[in-house]
Parts: sequence; C-alpha cells; structure tokens
Amino acid sequence: AQSVAQPEDQVNVAEGNPLTVKCTYSVSGNPYLFWYVQYPNRGLQFLLKYITGDNLVKGSYGFEAEFNKSQTSFHLKKPSALVSDSALYFCAFRLMDTGRRALTFGSGTRLQVQP
Amino acid sequence: KAGVTQTPRYLIKTRGQQVTLSCSPISGHRSVSWYQQTPGQGLQFLFEYFSETQRNKGNFPGRFSGRQFSNSRSEMNVSTLELGDSALYLCASSLRQQNTEAFFGQGTRLTVV
Repeated sequence: AQSVAQPEDQVNVAEGNPLTVKCTYSVSGNPYLFWYVQYPNRGLQFLLKYITGDNLVKGSYGFEAEFNKSQTSFHLKKPSALVSDSALYFCAFRLMDTGRRALTFGSGTRLQVQP
Repeated sequence: KAGVTQTPRYLIKTRGQQVTLSCSPISGHRSVSWYQQTPGQGLQFLFEYFSETQRNKGNFPGRFSGRQFSNSRSEMNVSTLELGDSALYLCASSLRQQNTEAFFGQGTRLTVV
C-alpha cells in the first residue's frame, strides 16, 4: 500500500535551536510531496511542496524541506525554531500522472518549541 | 483573496440524523476535496469534485455523499449518523493541475451524540 510515515509523534526543541520533522514515503511511482501545518481548532495551512528539480525546497515562515529520492524522505527543517512554530505538522503526497488529486497524509507530528 | 469557507463551524447531531456541510472554494478554484480528521484514523480522503462531477472517492460507506454546484461550491452529506462519524471535516480547494497545492478551510467540527 502506498503510504507516508512520520515516525515521531512529538518533537521537542528549544527556541532558537534547529528543528527537523521527519517524513518518509513508500509509493510506486513519482510523488508530489507536501508539508502542511495545523494550529489548534484550525484547518491545514500549506507550507511547501516538492514537484521536481532542486531537492531543497523553501517554503513559508522560514521552513524548508529536503527531498531525498534514494532514502525516500522529505524531512522538514528550520534553522531556528520559534515558540509560535508549536503546532501539528503533516507530510502528504499525491501521485503524479494518475489524475487523482487526493492527498495521502502521514499521521502527523506535534512540534513543541520550549522558550 | 478570500480563503476557503466552511459552514457551519460546529454541529451537534443525534445518532440516526443526517447532516449537510457546506464549502465555498477560493475564487477560480474548481476542484474541491473533502477529508475527515479523527484522532484515531488521522486525515482520510472522502471525495473530490471537479466541474460538478465526482472524480475520486475514498473508502467510506455510501452514507457519505457529496455534490458540487456550477459555482464550484460543494456540499457533503452524511446520513444515518453514527457516533464514529464525530470528526473534523475539512474541505480543500485547488486548481486542477496535479502539482498545485490544496488550500484548506477551517473545518466543520461534527459531534454525534
């Protein structure tokens, strides 16, 4: 089955330190990859996407993600965490060339940034 | 540019009732998808509409249905509600191209009692 895994339920990091939220995918075919963030009682906000080309993708709020085809990973990173980054983060994929627009989401990782 | 609007934000219904949720996409977006979010199952795809036609459907029972109008607004309906239908229902709109991101509304929190 095609899936995306977020191996950590929670990531704790001190404010000002770099953060990484991990995502690996298992698909047959080429995926478009996305990161979304969800704040309490809110919908999902788009952060960034990998379509093709440069493996390092830059997104909103200083976030970036690195696509690694050999490791089938798409980890989310930020050089310096803010307390306001505390939220629930979701990795998702959509398969290319299938006509399907449905996103398949990981289980989510809660990021806690301590002051 | 207005975002995706979902109404109502909160609903409480009784088992056996039916419910209709509404979604107005971003202007110019003709693709609308629905997702169910629960603590146990996470985010799951319900269905996608484009040009008033259902294009894809997730693995949900027939009690879950939807439609899209000519102005791209969409509704989803759940009949014969069960306690397990309690969830946050999220609507997302996007352009048709596969490589474009989806923009989500704030969701409708449905509680079935």
